[in-house]
Amino acid sequence: KAGVTQTPRYLIKTRGQQVTLSCSPISGHRSVSWYQQTPGQGLQFLFEYFSETQRNKGNFPGRFSGRQFSNSRSEMNVSTLELGDSALYLCASSLQAGHTGNTIYFGEGSWLTVV
Amino acid sequence: LAKTTQPISMDSYEGQEVNITCSHNNIATNDYITWYQQFPSQGPRFIIQGYKTKVTNEVASLFIPADRKSSTLSLPRVSLSDTAVYYCLVGGGNTNAGKSTFGDGTTLTVKP
Repeated sequence: KAGVTQTPRYLIKTRGQQVTLSCSPISGHRSVSWYQQTPGQGLQFLFEYFSETQRNKGNFPGRFSGRQFSNSRSEMNVSTLELGDSALYLCASSLQAGHTGNTIYFGEGSWLTVV
Repeated sequence: LAKTTQPISMDSYEGQEVNITCSHNNIATNDYITWYQQFPSQGPRFIIQGYKTKVTNEVASLFIPADRKSSTLSLPRVSLSDTAVYYCLVGGGNTNAGKSTFGDGTTLTVKP
């Protein structure tokens, strides 16, 4: 059974540009969440989607957005990139929402470097 | 939010048992405790999850006291390949991901 797949794995963007990252959850998983990981801030929650609806949102500016498709695949977008957006962006999926004790499984992440 | 506190780093030697404790004083009734392992440039990998008492799987054990204000991940007979960062997550999975809190992680270094 394939794990969480994220593309691209590595990318370099210029300040002011925008970027779209893609995530395919584990087959059968309907919940997807995104995290940003940086050396200084650790793992920070961005947002969570279930059945194409955003259920939770972390404390990030509006430049960070996401969406989920009917097949549970998800994308996140960052507009007007800043140097501080350089980070590892992690996608995680879980079987369902509305159930405590859900185990979330992470992808390998997308490394974004903003120059 | 359940704030978690872990030791920043720990050292061990091959073959030893390692115990990493996570403090989560204001854990909510519905919160589960999950531990992840992360290697450089990779996503966190699920190790074990529990709600109370003791949980054991093929790679680790998780001890949770009755008050649930802390938890201890136990790794038996560590090897060099166990050198990684270990995160404690308190919360309810993706449903309450916005209310889930990752600790700052414990860097475990296993020496030969």
